[in-house]
Amino acid sequence: EIVLTQSPDFQSVTPKEKVTITCRASQSIGSSLHWYQQKPDQSPKLLIKYASQSFSGVPSRFSGSGSGTDFTLTINSLEAEDAATYYCHQSSSLPHSFGQGTKLEIK
Amino acid sequence: EVQLVESGGGLVQPGGSLRLSCAASGFTFSSYAMHWVRQAPGKGLEYVSAISSNGGSTYYANSVKGRFTISRDNSKNTLYLQMGSLRAEDMAVYYCARGSSTSLIRPVFGYWGQGTLVTVSS
Repeated sequence: EIVLTQSPDFQSVTPKEKVTITCRASQSIGSSLHWYQQKPDQSPKLLIKYASQSFSGVPSRFSGSGSGTDFTLTINSLEAEDAATYYCHQSSSLPHSFGQGTKLEIK
Repeated sequence: EVQLVESGGGLVQPGGSLRLSCAASGFTFSSYAMHWVRQAPGKGLEYVSAISSNGGSTYYANSVKGRFTISRDNSKNTLYLQMGSLRAEDMAVYYCARGSSTSLIRPVFGYWGQGTLVTVSS
């Protein structure tokens, strides 16, 4: 089973700041890594698929990179509405797994 | 517009059963694998089960294997999760999610339902 480890677990940031969240896989998963945003009492929303492809309708300040075991979600010029928990997800092999989540607080 | 609407959640006693449904619209349901993901209160996301577009392939997480059964009715555009022998650790919001192809291979979850809460308590 592939374990995904995100860092940090929590980050407090100011608007317009650049944020980087990392996700490390316990073994190589190629580019089968996706990023989701979940706000309180809402279902997760897809931001980035297959490591670096933006999902339809997602603001351009969200971007992803990486391959193999190390991946990064970058949020450029953070906005107040970006306060949420972010999860990475690997679908390279079953069981599909999620990272533990990174909670982003806006100061 | 793609819509997924879960129903069937509620309060059930330990050892009891419940059937969740996920009604799909806005896309050709029979062309996509479907998945269930759950989230315990205050916790992260856990992958539970999946079914291919024609129902021929299924997958279960070890935590639910032998107790849960996934199925689908393509004529009704509906996904199901029959849950049995429920335990306290099964208490969670259950989301259905649409895969990105007919198979269970390398999916991405572009669309999620709003979730349905399953509470397991005596």
